[in-house]
Amino acid sequence: GAVVSQHPSRVICKSGTSVKIECRSLDFQATTMFWYRQFPKQSLMLMATSNEGSKATYEQGVEKDKFLINHASLTLSTLTVTSAHPEDSSFYICSARDRVSSFLNEQFFGPGTRLTVL
Amino acid sequence: EDQVTQSPEALRLQEGESSSLNCSYTVSGLRGLFWYRQDPGKGPEFLFTLYSAGEEKEKERLKATLTKKESFLHITAPKPEDSATYLCAVPYSGGGADGLTFGKGTHLIIQP
Repeated sequence: GAVVSQHPSRVICKSGTSVKIECRSLDFQATTMFWYRQFPKQSLMLMATSNEGSKATYEQGVEKDKFLINHASLTLSTLTVTSAHPEDSSFYICSARDRVSSFLNEQFFGPGTRLTVL
Repeated sequence: EDQVTQSPEALRLQEGESSSLNCSYTVSGLRGLFWYRQDPGKGPEFLFTLYSAGEEKEKERLKATLTKKESFLHITAPKPEDSATYLCAVPYSGGGADGLTFGKGTHLIIQP
């Protein structure tokens, strides 16, 4: 149980293009999903919190117009990196919190998406 | 400001050599401390949640303990497959509701 998937696992794009990353909870419903970014040899940094049916909450320093988040259903959240630049190259990881056991604060992570912007 | 500090940054052990990883935290009102394992190029894999001082949890060769200021991840008779980066994290009271603040991790290498 508590499986989270991400697609794609790896993407290479040209500077100026947009990239969409999907995060799905496969065997549970997630009212809240989180998006993190991890640079090489660094830990995960929270970018934004995504709540089903409402606007995402972004962390300080994260541009909401650049990183568009949509949480249209209880099992799917998407992150779109708009007009990507080389400095956006990173490992993007989503996590989800089970709707039923949300009081436990436990989060389950997807396998990550490696974005490389040329 | 919530802080999570892990030590050591890296640890190299021989197979079968037990040791402990440390996670010290400074938060206002702990709502859980989480341990994850992360393999290179993959997302973190959930290991344990601890909620109160004195609590202990075990899974195979791993045991996590919690005090009011720190948590330890004890690894007993490790095997090479236990090699990974171990992360601890706490929920924080920042803008993201219950987003996690992570430590930088301990990179553990178990040599056969």
